[in-house]
Amino acid sequence: GIQVEQSPPDLILQEGANSTLRCNFSDSVNNLQWFHQNPWGQLINLFYIPSGTKQNGRLSATTVATERYSLLYISSSQTTDSGVYFCAVGWVGSNYKLTFGKGTLLTVNP
Amino acid sequence: KAGVTQTPRYLIKTRGQQVTLSCSPISGHRSVSWYQQTPGQGLQFLFEYFSETQRNKGNFPGRFSGRQFSNSRSEMNVSTLELGDSALYLCASSLVGTGLNEQYFGPGTRLTVT
Repeated sequence: GIQVEQSPPDLILQEGANSTLRCNFSDSVNNLQWFHQNPWGQLINLFYIPSGTKQNGRLSATTVATERYSLLYISSSQTTDSGVYFCAVGWVGSNYKLTFGKGTLLTVNP
Repeated sequence: KAGVTQTPRYLIKTRGQQVTLSCSPISGHRSVSWYQQTPGQGLQFLFEYFSETQRNKGNFPGRFSGRQFSNSRSEMNVSTLELGDSALYLCASSLVGTGLNEQYFGPGTRLTVT
């Protein structure tokens, strides 16, 4: 099956700093999503981005499908950005399931 | 539009018992998937239903089963609970297919097996 690797596994920032999270995947994908898991466990949709670039406020994401990676940018980080960020991919051969990376644990200190 | 809802939110069961979890998808969504999240294994796919039919199943024992009703609501059942079944169970819905369409997750059911 497809492999999804996220880096770094852990990231500690001071409030106001910028960060880049990376997601590498081992095969062509038809679906790529970024999620933020809140302290209560819910996965919050950030981006649906199988290719291209999208922006939403302080967050933006870029997926380069031909090179099999995606980047999530967080600018001017806030303490509320803390949590685990997951990348998940789906593809035609996956029979409708998403495969998740292990996540990046982001801690933003005041 | 209301999001994905899951009930109950928390559950404590004893080894050997069985449990049923419920998921109501976003209105109009016909695909429902279930995932298990544990600290050791991360997020793992359990199964996916579309129009009351299971289309895909992950690598879990037969104690894990599910079904989908005509209104797209889904239930999953775990029989003969084991300590290792303690996990956060997440349900996701999408319009037609989880691998090819954006998925939206519910708040999860946290199951503790003692």
